[in-house]
Order: sequence, then C-alpha cells, then structure tokens
Amino acid sequence: QKEVEQNSGPLSVPEGAIASLNCTYSDRGSQSFFWYRQYSGKSPELIMFIYSNGDKEDGRFTAQLNKASQYVSLLIRDSQPSDSATYLCAVNRGRDSGAGSYQLTFGKGTKLSVIP
Amino acid sequence: DGGITQSPKYLFRKEGQNVTLSCEQNLNHDAMYWYRQDPGQGLRLIYYSQIVNDFQKGDIAEGYSVSREKKESFPLTVTSAQKNPTAFYLCASSLTSGSYNEQFFGPGTRLTVL
Repeated sequence: QKEVEQNSGPLSVPEGAIASLNCTYSDRGSQSFFWYRQYSGKSPELIMFIYSNGDKEDGRFTAQLNKASQYVSLLIRDSQPSDSATYLCAVNRGRDSGAGSYQLTFGKGTKLSVIP
Repeated sequence: DGGITQSPKYLFRKEGQNVTLSCEQNLNHDAMYWYRQDPGQGLRLIYYSQIVNDFQKGDIAEGYSVSREKKESFPLTVTSAQKNPTAFYLCASSLTSGSYNEQFFGPGTRLTVL
C-alpha cells in the first residue's frame, strides 16, 4: 500500500517562530495534497491544499510541493500557542492504485507545540 | 449552516452487540467516507461511497457494514465481528467532480467497548 510519512514529533517552537512540517509520499500518481489540523479530541480541519509544484500561501500558512522529490511541507509563520495541534498530511491515491482519485491516504501526523 | 453531523458523540457498547453510527451532510457532496483513528495513528479508511446505493470497501472493512440509501446519509454499523472496535470514528464527505475533492470531516464519534 502506498504510504505517507511524517515525523511524529513533538516539534516544539517558540511563539513567533516559523514551524516547518514535512511529509513524504510514495505514490507517484498522486496529484493533490492536503494539510489538516487536529486539536486533541477533535476531528481534522482542512487548512491547506496544493496541487501544483511550488508554494501556495494563505495567511500565515505556506504549503510547498515538490512532486519530483515526492515531498510536501507546511510552514507556519509567526507561530501562536493556538497553533499547537497535530498536523496531518493527506495525499490522494493515484489512478494506478485501483482506487478513485478522490480517496486519500493519511500520514500519522506531526504534533506541534508552540511555547509561549 | 452547511456541514456534517455525527451522532452520538460518545457511544459505549458491550461485547457482542452491533451498534450504528450516524453521519449526515447537507453540503450536497456526492462522496462520503468512514475512517477510524486509533491513538497515535493516522486515519484508516473503512468504507466509502461515491453515489447513492453504491459503496466500496476501504482498507479495513472487516467487521463493518454501511448503507447509502440517501445522498445525505451514510450510516456505519460496527458489528460484533469487529475484534477491536474501540476507536474514534470519523465521517467525511467531498465532491467527486470539478474540484480536487477536498474532504471535510464531521465531529466524530468515540466508541468504547466495555
């Protein structure tokens, strides 16, 4: 089965710093990439998605995609204590997986802790 | 407000009992999904449905069953055949055409087997 790998963390950063979260994936057929934030005991919340190589910015968040290296990252600028959560990377399944392209494979998540 | 609702929020089950988890969406999404999440683990796909009256097994379908009689509803039954059912169950929905199919999640149901 195709895999999505993330460092489990915890990743600790001081308030105001940049948090960098990384994800690698094995399915070369994947075309769409998602970052979800999950607070403890809650359901995942979609915060960013990216489909093209390069950077995509939305407020304090920047998603970066490099399909050749099969690598996607999320940068959080000016980190706040409220950003403390687990961040899940999700990748759509390529057509040769036999699945519909809208199915996602999730990583296990990286726990981020922003220290005041 | 558009969204996905799941009920109940917490559910306790005795061994040997079947239980049904509810999932309803009013986003007019075509596809619906069921995942389970265990502590420290990612989400694992149980079942998914692209269209009414059709559904497919995901990666861990054994011991579970679903139905899709209405576009808005996709209930999940956890049967007594599921050996380790205690988990956090998440329902999601998405479009299947046009967009790149972002999935949105309901609040989840936490199932505990006593």
